[in-house]
This record gives sequence, C-alpha cells and structure tokens, in this order.
Amino acid sequence: DQQVKQNSPSLSVQEGRISILNCDYTNSMFDYFLWYKKYPAEGPTFLISISSIKDKNEDGRFTVFLNKSAKHLSLHIVPSQPGDSAVYFCAASDGDYQLIWGAGTKLIIKP
Amino acid sequence: GAGVSQSPSNKVTEKGKDVELRCDPISGHTALYWYRQSLGQGLEFLIYFQGNSAPDKSGLPSDRFSAERTGGSVSTLTIQRTQQEDSAVYLCASRYSGTITDTQYFGPGTRLTVL
Repeated sequence: DQQVKQNSPSLSVQEGRISILNCDYTNSMFDYFLWYKKYPAEGPTFLISISSIKDKNEDGRFTVFLNKSAKHLSLHIVPSQPGDSAVYFCAASDGDYQLIWGAGTKLIIKP
Repeated sequence: GAGVSQSPSNKVTEKGKDVELRCDPISGHTALYWYRQSLGQGLEFLIYFQGNSAPDKSGLPSDRFSAERTGGSVSTLTIQRTQQEDSAVYLCASRYSGTITDTQYFGPGTRLTVL
C-alpha cells in the first residue's frame, strides 16, 4: 500500500505564477515531512522540511503547508522560475531512520 | 566539498550476469542508504547502514541482492543473476548521523539496464 501519494504525475505552470504541489499520506504516525527536488541524471536534493508540530514552514520562494487532520501537505513555489522545472518528491518519516517516498510530480515551468 | 559519488553511472548487462554498484559517501557521514527507483515510481528503500550497527536489510527484494560497507565508508551493492525487473536507477545517499532531521545527500545514481 502506498503510504505517501502524489496523485499528479505532472504539473505545468506559467513562469511567475504560483506552483502548488500536493502530497497525501495515510500513516498518522508520520511526524516529519520533506520535499526533495530532482533534475534529470542527478540525485534528489533536499528542498524544505516540516515537523508535525508546525503547520507551515517557509524558505524564500518555497513554503510547505501541513494539514494533519486531512493528512495532506503541499509545497508552494512563488514566483515560479524556469529553474524550478524538475521532479518533486514528497517524503515522510515516523521518527525512524526510514523515509517513505511518493512517486514524484514533474513540474514544468512555461516561459 | 565532494558530494556522494556513485559508479558506474550507467550499466548495461545481460540477464543472469552479476553486477556490482559502488557508492562513495560524504566523508564523515555515518549513515548510508541504498534506494531503487523504477520508472514512474518513488524511491524504494533497499538497505541502511549506520556506523558499526548491523545493517537494516529489510528492503532488499530478494536474496540475489546484497550490500556491504567497508570501513564505515565505501559501500557496494551486488545483484546476482540479474533479471529484467532489476532494471532501475539505484541511488545511494549518506547522512551525517542517524537523526532523521539530518539531510540525506544523494549521489547521481547508477542506471542499470538488464537485457
């Protein structure tokens, strides 16, 4: 069973607009969530994280929102830039050393 | 500084052959992970090394898969008698400690194609 789901395989957004990437999870024991970004032929790189004691974490153009009751988190990128075109992975942990990963969403920023 | 490196970057092999994939983690990182990413899928956990502790091998899909980490540094993932379903990108990541809030740093991966 997929404990972390990214239901949109791809998303296309106009440059300068807001990109919203979504992630749903099923395990209520998850208490730490991360977003990673991956360019082709490269490994994923850490983008931003959030602990379950918070509902928002912001870092520059990137903001992650956590809705624990809905078991949903989202990544907002504003304004979107061409260099943001990549695959974005959501991952979650219950405090253990393992991360459970979503399948990724390919973000395409159109000029 | 040097990041995580993996070799080879690409490997094409015939079904039934053995392959060995190598990972050089960031110096000083005690934790090391191997993942597999099949087409259109998320990262699938394979194995975890932390310091001198016994590795967590719970993610290895079959006994054809094995991994070792020598001297707490370099790690090799070996796949024996490769099958076509083993075709995937194999990613290695290292982390400074076993704490989940420490960032995992990934290598570029090895793309394995089994013909």
